[in-house]
Amino acid sequence: DAKTTQPNSMESNEEEPVHLPCNHSTISGTDYIHWYRQLPSQGPEYVIHGLTSNVNNRMASLAIAEDRKSSTLILHRATLRDAAVYYCILRRSGGSNYKLTFGKGTLLTVNP
Amino acid sequence: GAVVSQHPSWVICKSGTSVKIECRSLDFQATTMFWYRQFPKQSLMLMATSNEGSKATYEQGVEKDKFLINHASLTLSTLTVTSAHPEDSSFYICSARDGTSGGRTQYFGPGTRLTVL
Repeated sequence: DAKTTQPNSMESNEEEPVHLPCNHSTISGTDYIHWYRQLPSQGPEYVIHGLTSNVNNRMASLAIAEDRKSSTLILHRATLRDAAVYYCILRRSGGSNYKLTFGKGTLLTVNP
Repeated sequence: GAVVSQHPSWVICKSGTSVKIECRSLDFQATTMFWYRQFPKQSLMLMATSNEGSKATYEQGVEKDKFLINHASLTLSTLTVTSAHPEDSSFYICSARDGTSGGRTQYFGPGTRLTVL
């Protein structure tokens, strides 16, 4: 699986936007970009995913670079409940392999 | 949204005993379920993938005779930790793939904290 690189940690203030970067320079054309987050002592929660175009949902936006070698998860107004570890994961489409390989992720701290 | 439950949420057992953890998809059919393990301050490590009605596929280094996985129905998978030892103490998390949505999203359970004394 292609690898992703994320900063170990980031800090934000409440009600401000947060941009979480992810580099995936070895991404292949059939790799989907998935974002999950994990709050302390809980299972991961799906946030968003995309292939080539930018995506929006009620939780966040995903901005994908034109060459697809990087992406950014955007939380438009951070709240204290957004404090979590955010994982950027590539998943190859097709076949029967739906495995997700988790890296270390980015620990987001939200200050009140 | 899709909901996955796990039971129990936490369990304490004596060394040498076996523990069974259940993972259920509550509002969708899960053709594939996954089991992960997470040690403190570490990321999730995939243990095995199970498809309904067939044998589980284990990741390298995971003992299939120690971690028994059964996926007998489209809504239930179980993980049995046999002859548990203190080093098996961990946070066990399952996830399920919703085959009807094209399978691009996995939904995770809340996790089970296992402590082996």
